[in-house]
Amino acid sequence: QSVLTQPPSVSAAPGQKVTISCSGSSSNIGNNYVSWYQQLPGTAPKLLIYDNNKRPSGIPDRFSGSKSGTSATLGITGLQTGDEADYYCGTWDSSLSAEWVFGGGTKLTVL
Amino acid sequence: EVQLVESGGGLVQPGRSLRLSCAASGFTFDDYAMHWVRQAPGKGLEWVSGISWNSGSIGYADSVKGRFTISRDNAKNSLYLQMNSLRAEDTALYYCAKDYGSSWSKYYFDYWGQGTLVTVSS
Repeated sequence: QSVLTQPPSVSAAPGQKVTISCSGSSSNIGNNYVSWYQQLPGTAPKLLIYDNNKRPSGIPDRFSGSKSGTSATLGITGLQTGDEADYYCGTWDSSLSAEWVFGGGTKLTVL
Repeated sequence: EVQLVESGGGLVQPGRSLRLSCAASGFTFDDYAMHWVRQAPGKGLEWVSGISWNSGSIGYADSVKGRFTISRDNAKNSLYLQMNSLRAEDTALYYCAKDYGSSWSKYYFDYWGQGTLVTVSS
């Protein structure tokens, strides 16, 4: 059971928009920055969004992030078949365990 | 170009040990914290351990505390993970990941290696 909760799967048609939610608590998302990672099939994760809503260079502005309270959201517009991947949210958890935590991952299918 | 290349994975019996290595290049290794993150077959990401730039601060997930030891050799641009008392549930692809900053408990993972597979089975 992951500390952060994501929907197992989402789907949408090419060109459409999709959002992926990530729910946590005050010890993690509520008081720390959220990052998002894209894992294309058979490859290593890749940083997509950091500090809740910032994009590394080379990441298109079709990808966006936001945070409100103890939840975060990844948005993807203008969906392409190449966006089919697993998406993970992650953040620092400052509870007694003091560790990095991830969501269980969301499989995006572009129909 | 940042490159992280893991090695040392393989098939090991329960209770035995294994040492993973990660060779880093393309950045000033001793400026940044580093991590190990694992992914069991068909499962999600799990943070394993992190180490600050100068090895002064180290952290472990509860699931590996007391069994795994992270270390680094800045002169060799290398990160290590000594895994003892291995269990079947440690079976996973182990990724080496670079931190954006010098502390392992603050920023995010900005570069990842391709991983090395550890299989614990009799």
